[in-house]
Amino acid sequence: DTAVSQTPKYLVTQMGNDKSIKCEQNLGHDTMYWYKQDSKKFLKIMFSYNNKELIINETVPNRFSPKSPDKAHLNLHINSLELGDSAVYFCASSGQHANTGELFFGEGSRLTVL
Amino acid sequence: AQTVTQSQPEMSVQEAETVTLSCTYDTSESNYYLFWYKQPPSRQMILVIRQEAYKQQNATENRFSVNFQKAAKSFSLKISDSQLGDTAMYFCAFTLSLGGTSYGKLTFGQGTILTVHP
Repeated sequence: DTAVSQTPKYLVTQMGNDKSIKCEQNLGHDTMYWYKQDSKKFLKIMFSYNNKELIINETVPNRFSPKSPDKAHLNLHINSLELGDSAVYFCASSGQHANTGELFFGEGSRLTVL
Repeated sequence: AQTVTQSQPEMSVQEAETVTLSCTYDTSESNYYLFWYKQPPSRQMILVIRQEAYKQQNATENRFSVNFQKAAKSFSLKISDSQLGDTAMYFCAFTLSLGGTSYGKLTFGQGTILTVHP
C-alpha cells in the first residue's frame, strides 16, 4: 500500500501542451503539498492545501493550477508548458501536527518538456 | 526569510566508517524544527531524523545522530557504521513551528551527495 501515490511517474510532452499530475494519499492527513525539484536537485515548495483550502501559494506562474477535490487528493495542472517546467514534481502530505515537519512524500513525477 | 546552506556538494566514505554532513541555517525565529531527509537513486524522499529547536538534547536514530548548535545555527548529521544503502543525496531542511503561512513549509538546503564505498 503506497501512502502517497502520484501518477504519472514519467511524463514527456511538447512545449505548449497542457498536462496534469495526480496525487492521492491514504494516510488520513489534512495537509498536502506540491514541491518542485529542479535539474540541480533544489527542492522548493509550490503549493500547500489544508482540508481542501489553499494555504501556501509561492511565486508560481499562473500556468500552474492546483486542485484539491477532497483532502485525500491534490492534483496539479500545468497549462502552456515551457522548457523550464522540466523537473521532478513531488506531492507530499502531513498530519494534524503539520508543523512537526514530517512530510510523507510520493515517488515524484518526472516531467520532461521538449 | 529562512535559508538553509549545505556547503558540501559531495562526500564519500568507506563502508563501516563514520561521516559527518554539514548544514547551517539562518532565521530570526526561536521556535522551529530541523530535519535531514534522504533521497536515494529511487528518488523517494525519506525522513532520516528530526530535531526540535527547543530541545537541547541532540536527536539520535540508530546509526544517525545530529550535532545541533542553536547559537551557531548549525545542524550536522553524523552517520556511524556507514552502509552501502546509505548512498543517497541528503537534504537538510527547516520549518517554523508556528501556524499560519508557515504551516508545513519546508525550506531545503542544496543537498549533499553521499557515496559509500565497499
